[in-house]
Amino acid sequence: EVQLVESGGGLVQPGGSLRLSCAASGFTFSSYAMSWVRQAPGKGLEWFSAIISSADSTEYADSVKGRFTISRDNSKNTLYLQMNSLRAEDTAVYYCAKSPWGSGVQFFDYWGQGTLVTVSS
Amino acid sequence: DIQMTQSPSSVSASVGDRVTITCQASQGISSWLAWYQQKPGKAPTLLIYAASTLQSGVPSRFSGGGSGTDFTLTISSLQPEDFATYYCQQANSFPHSFGQGTKLEIK
Repeated sequence: EVQLVESGGGLVQPGGSLRLSCAASGFTFSSYAMSWVRQAPGKGLEWFSAIISSADSTEYADSVKGRFTISRDNSKNTLYLQMNSLRAEDTAVYYCAKSPWGSGVQFFDYWGQGTLVTVSS
Repeated sequence: DIQMTQSPSSVSASVGDRVTITCQASQGISSWLAWYQQKPGKAPTLLIYAASTLQSGVPSRFSGGGSGTDFTLTISSLQPEDFATYYCQQANSFPHSFGQGTKLEIK
């Protein structure tokens, strides 16, 4: 059974940093591209970062470019998101999501349960 | 960047009704479109990808259509568990973008 379990969310002050993790199991993690998608309270879904299976290539939305960094450790079956210079508008539930293939553009066939990040003083 | 526009934003319907949700892309995306269902407090689940391919395990009352810029999600006979919010997503190019969502409510 495919499982994606996010952790690392919490309350952080504006300008602060946070690192999210997504532990994967039930599939060959190193073979699939992954993304982070977020959802602000009461709002819709926003894709903002992706990484291919080999970790050689990443993509970012303009809203997070230069502040967030996606990475993965295929030996640990874990996806990461380093978030710096956090703003109030980054407050959201953060989901990791699996792509059906290793590279290129993505649909998301499995999602984690999400972790809440709140940016507030 | 490609903008995705769904309509309607909300719809009320009854069990057994047929419902169609539309999604329009701001530029052509071929068949690079997916549909997701999201229930309150839960992660989204994939219903349809490549515009019309049903994800494994999804009931056949769900169907998708379209290509280029105009797409549809149809639920042929609503069941109680179908009341949720539905999102389209383009996977033609980065940044991937979602529609704003369509909330399907019980009449």
